[in-house]
Amino acid sequence: GIQVEQSPPDLILQEGANSTLRCNFSDSVNNLQWFHQNPWGQLINLFYIPSGTKQNGRLSATTVATERYSLLYISSSQTTDSGVYFCAVGSGGSNYKLTFGKGTLLTVNP
Amino acid sequence: EADIYQTPRYLVIGTGKKITLECSQTMGHDKMYWYQQDPGMELHLIHYSYGVNSTEKGDLSSESTVSRIRTEHFPLTLESARPSHTSQYLCASAQAVNTGELFFGEGSRLTVL
Repeated sequence: GIQVEQSPPDLILQEGANSTLRCNFSDSVNNLQWFHQNPWGQLINLFYIPSGTKQNGRLSATTVATERYSLLYISSSQTTDSGVYFCAVGSGGSNYKLTFGKGTLLTVNP
Repeated sequence: EADIYQTPRYLVIGTGKKITLECSQTMGHDKMYWYQQDPGMELHLIHYSYGVNSTEKGDLSSESTVSRIRTEHFPLTLESARPSHTSQYLCASAQAVNTGELFFGEGSRLTVL
């Protein structure tokens, strides 16, 4: 099946800093989503972005499908941004089944 | 705002007990999913459903079973809980995953003693 690799595995920032999280995948995809898991365990959908660029406030994401990667940008980070960020992909006829990466644990210190 | 609900949020139970984790969504979504997640780890798909009376096993083998008798309801059952079943179970739904978003419930954290 498709492989998903996220980097870095851990990231520690001071409040106000910017960061870039990366997601590489091993095959062409027609579904890619970024999620944030808060400290209480709930997953919040950030972006549905199989290709192109989207922005939502301080967050933006870019997927370059032809090169098999996606980037999540967090600007002016806040302590509430802490948590785990997951990339999940779906491909071909199994695009309804998402495969998750191992996630990036982000800690934003005040 | 997603309207998908899981109960119980937390459950501590003894070995051998039967448990059912409830999942309901009010969005009329056809597709529903159960993922299992150990602390600090990635999510693994254990069950999914395309619609009423349709259920399939996911990529990770699980001793749990599911049913889909109504569109809005997708319960997960463990007939005899064991300590190895201790984990977080996350339910999700989507109208059509290839064109839309996956919405998650808050999760059910199960501890089997």
